[in-house]
Amino acid sequence: GESVGLHLPTLSVQEGDNSIINCAYSNSASDYFIWYKQESGKGPQFIIDIRSNMDKRQGQRVTVLLNKTVKHLSLQIAATQPGDSAVYFCAERRGGNKLVFGAGTILRVKS
Amino acid sequence: SAVISQKPSRDICQRGTSLTIQCQVDSQVTMMFWYRQQPGQSLTLIATANQGSEATYESGFVIDKFPISRPNLTFSTLTVSNMSPEDSSIYLCSVDRSYNEQFFGPGTRLTVL
Repeated sequence: GESVGLHLPTLSVQEGDNSIINCAYSNSASDYFIWYKQESGKGPQFIIDIRSNMDKRQGQRVTVLLNKTVKHLSLQIAATQPGDSAVYFCAERRGGNKLVFGAGTILRVKS
Repeated sequence: SAVISQKPSRDICQRGTSLTIQCQVDSQVTMMFWYRQQPGQSLTLIATANQGSEATYESGFVIDKFPISRPNLTFSTLTVSNMSPEDSSIYLCSVDRSYNEQFFGPGTRLTVL
């Protein structure tokens, strides 16, 4: 299928290791931050979100950390699996329904 | 989660022509969104489409180039007009299921020769 991540930074991890994907955002007025996963040939898929008044939120195998002081967001994936290989995007919700997407990171999981 | 389909899934078009992309949602939604994803890049919002009103375009996108229709609460179309190779991208529609969850269609992969 077509790759959408040809020009994006790549994170390579060994299967079973933990992955940390980082994102810097720009607007301190954003009230929600969301992580999306995009597999080759598909649209982005919602993973997890965090409100701006929180600093950590956990899901199944994923944790999102928010540092508003330095406008930094991270996605931690525990025990990374081959099925986690994809492009990961962070997005900010800037009031209303508008989403602004970050640059994206390619995650490659080595077996 | 919402079920969103797009047609066509991909197309190869000649420059100067126009292509209309359809987006169908399995339930009624107030707002539908159209994004562009250029090769190797992130997603950029083109416009927001509400039923019964004109679409709201983001900076850098104009109605003459990307006319949008929203005839009912489950359907929208995006037309890419007078195409050039720079319009080669993935075009995605999305809908809000709640304030913090936006679901995306599979995308339409457009190549302009």
